[in-house]
Amino acid sequence: DAGVIQSPRHEVTEMGQEVTLRCKPISGHDYLFWYRQTMMRGLELLIYFNNNVPIDDSGMPEDRFSAKMPNASFSTLKIQPSEPRDSAVYFCASSSTPNYGYTFGSGTRLTVV
Amino acid sequence: AQSVTQLDSQVPVFEEAPVELRCNYSSSVSVYLFWYVQYPNQGLQLLLKYLSGSTLVKGINGFEAEFNKSQTSFHLRKPSVHISDTAEYFCAVRAMNRDDKIIFGKGTRLHILP
Repeated sequence: DAGVIQSPRHEVTEMGQEVTLRCKPISGHDYLFWYRQTMMRGLELLIYFNNNVPIDDSGMPEDRFSAKMPNASFSTLKIQPSEPRDSAVYFCASSSTPNYGYTFGSGTRLTVV
Repeated sequence: AQSVTQLDSQVPVFEEAPVELRCNYSSSVSVYLFWYVQYPNQGLQLLLKYLSGSTLVKGINGFEAEFNKSQTSFHLRKPSVHISDTAEYFCAVRAMNRDDKIIFGKGTRLHILP
């Protein structure tokens, strides 16, 4: 099993540009989570899906952020327009059941200049 | 709602010495508890978990944790640390109900001194 796959690993973009982060969960996992990690705020849950349906998006900071899961093997997190304060490491995680914890991807380090 | 408090943001310890990373949680319902480890420039990995049964849980890399319901704690311990244990450690909690979110603490950075 290749684990949770995120792309790109690093992204540098200019303020105002659209950014799309991608995630492929582990096959058979029906929960998918998007987290953001910064030094100041630690690990924040942005949104999570169950069977491709968004369950809780209360952590999405504002309307500039959107997430989709068109099928069981793919999810995107989009920021439009991006701002310097969006700079962070964004993690995707998946789980077959939360009782067993999550499997995290390696993350996407986003820098907005 | 649940919350997790990791009392120490950083813990320095000499190589081969024992270490304890402290975690306290708050919840009005029964919980599942987890410890995750994040090595530099990597994602989080599950170290160990408490779901039920024995309150002493053993995980990977020689770590163990003890669930103490009366003190609402789930401290992580290792009898002898190695330089390769340098990482950030996150305690996490999830309520035993339909809420599927795991709540993470702010992390404790473990520094191993030579």
